[in-house]
Amino acid sequence: EPEVTQTPSHQVTQMGQEVILRCVPISNHLYFYWYRQILGQKVEFLVSFYNNEISEKSEIFDDQFSVERPDGSNFTLKIRSTKLEDSAMYFCASSPTGVGDGYTFGSGTRLTVV
Amino acid sequence: KQEVTQIPAALSVPEGENLVLNCSFTDSAIYNLQWFRQDPGKGLTSLLLIQSSQREQTSGRLNASLDKSSGRSTLYIAASQPGDSATYLCAYKPANTGNQFYFGTGTSLTVIP
Repeated sequence: EPEVTQTPSHQVTQMGQEVILRCVPISNHLYFYWYRQILGQKVEFLVSFYNNEISEKSEIFDDQFSVERPDGSNFTLKIRSTKLEDSAMYFCASSPTGVGDGYTFGSGTRLTVV
Repeated sequence: KQEVTQIPAALSVPEGENLVLNCSFTDSAIYNLQWFRQDPGKGLTSLLLIQSSQREQTSGRLNASLDKSSGRSTLYIAASQPGDSATYLCAYKPANTGNQFYFGTGTSLTVIP
């Protein structure tokens, strides 16, 4: 079964550093997403991406965050200057088309900011 | 404001028991609802997707129902097994807020051998 692949599985970074989380969505999917889950809390939407641009973003997705599809297979989330409160599990997901579809999630990247 | 409530927050049952997990959400107009399984420290595995036009979906020992008018979904697990132990998350996509899912906090299930 096709999978969404995320790397790395765990990243530790110093506060103020930039991190890039990587995802390879399912190859024939057109919509890509990032969600996060702070320990013990709900999974929260960050951003959706379609046709090489952001289609929706939440209030969490402020200027320190950016997304990019640098080539035909990768989808990245960059956090420019990490804060302690950015520590969370970050999930990438993809769907074939838009609102009528469910998502396939990756296994997540656990980001720890120290 | 979109809210998803899952009851109970935790459930412990002996192996072989049938069980029901409940999910309620605040919108009656939705695109779809998806149930996920999450193992500790792991990703989200999709279990069932129910479209707005559907009343239920089945996969193996799992059956999910959807009642939009009351804003409820249930996940029924038949003949539970220790391998079913995980957190079960309900997520729905309201019809008027774009293409994002709203998640509940989950039900943590433990199946005792």
